Amino acid sequence: DAKTTQPNSMESNEEEPVHLPCNHSTISGTDYIHWYRQLPSQGPEYVIHGLTSNVNNRMASLAIAEDRKSSTLILHRATLRDAAVYYCILKTTDSWGKLQFGAGTQVVVTP
Amino acid sequence: GAVVSQHPSRVICKSGTSVKIECRSLDFQATTMFWYRQFPKQSLMLMATSNEGSKATYEQGVEKDKFLINHASLTLSTLTVTSAHPEDSSFYICSAREPEGFGYTFGSGTRLTVV
Repeated sequence: DAKTTQPNSMESNEEEPVHLPCNHSTISGTDYIHWYRQLPSQGPEYVIHGLTSNVNNRMASLAIAEDRKSSTLILHRATLRDAAVYYCILKTTDSWGKLQFGAGTQVVVTP
Repeated sequence: GAVVSQHPSRVICKSGTSVKIECRSLDFQATTMFWYRQFPKQSLMLMATSNEGSKATYEQGVEKDKFLINHASLTLSTLTVTSAHPEDSSFYICSAREPEGFGYTFGSGTRLTVV
């Protein structure tokens, strides 16, 4: 699976939006873009995924660049409970095997 | 959504003893489960892929004789850390692919401390 690059950390004020970038310049046509987050001392949880079009769910929005070489996870109104490490992961559609995690982005939310 | 239950959440054991960690899919069948290890301030590192009814597939550098994986049923995979040493102290997490959709669901993790 292709590699992703994320900033080490980002800080946001409570109730403000958070935009988390992810670069994946070597993405292939069959790669889905997945986002997971891990709260302290817990296992990761699924946030959102997409292929080409922007996606929205109750947790977040995913904006995918037209060339698919980058994407942005958007938390519309950050809360203290959103403080976590956010992982951007590429996963091929024809391989439902292992999920490999990079370093992720530590999101800090200040009241 | 799909739920994976991991037990125990925390365990302390003496050096040289073995510890078993259980991972159960509560409301779905999981033919494949995954085991990860996470050291403080680091990302998750995949250790092995557990396959129901067959041998686990270990990642490079992971000692298969030390980290025994058994996936005897469609809802249970176990990881046994044999002859544990302090350097095995870590956060162990299991995962399974959700039966519907594209996501993976994770257990809540097991904090192992070897003293």
